[in-house]
Amino acid sequence: GAGVSQTPSNKVTEKGKYVELRCDPISGHTALYWYRQSLGQGPEFLIYFQGTGAADDSGLPNDRFFAVRPEGSVSTLKIQRTERGDSAVYLCASSSVGGAVGNEQFFGPGTRLTVL
Amino acid sequence: KQEVTQIPAALSVPEGENLVLNCSFTDSAIYNLQWFRQDPGKGLTSLLLIQSSQREQTSGRLNASLDKSSGRSTLYIAASQPGDSATYLCAVRVGANSKLTFGKGITLSVRP
Repeated sequence: GAGVSQTPSNKVTEKGKYVELRCDPISGHTALYWYRQSLGQGPEFLIYFQGTGAADDSGLPNDRFFAVRPEGSVSTLKIQRTERGDSAVYLCASSSVGGAVGNEQFFGPGTRLTVL
Repeated sequence: KQEVTQIPAALSVPEGENLVLNCSFTDSAIYNLQWFRQDPGKGLTSLLLIQSSQREQTSGRLNASLDKSSGRSTLYIAASQPGDSATYLCAVRVGANSKLTFGKGITLSVRP
């Protein structure tokens, strides 16, 4: 079946603009995660959804960042008033709950965000 | 706060060599540990997942071990090939559905 998909693959925007990044998880996966990866670093956690609700949003850096998952499938990460420091690759992952593979997370290809 | 360390940051070996990549974590109370591969400009591919109750997992030429009490994991790659060149990341999780905490990764180059 299809893996995790993310759109767009690349996004270039100007400082101060609003952006939306989309994630389509693996069908049937109830858990969805957003991470951010800066150059030369490992991914850093942003937010985790279980179904439609945010179970852990402790990684969101500030109130310019917001994410939704209204129907428990597709998720959108929204960034307001973008800053140059927001430039990074934004990764999405999904996992099943209680599965035989121990809730293994499967990652999408990421969206590379560049803020000019 | 859980911290994951991977040293060295980069490694270059000749083709055919067996090698070990190290990962250490500060809090031994983990739920599981995952090793990932990342090719330049790409997402993460899961290689192996070890539950906290397990000591090792194997897949083809890869073998991952876990010593939870000492906060260490190793990824063993047998008979390395140029196609193994990539960044290898290890990540730990403290609960069944909690976030992954990643190391910075080890960039491996296998010379033909």
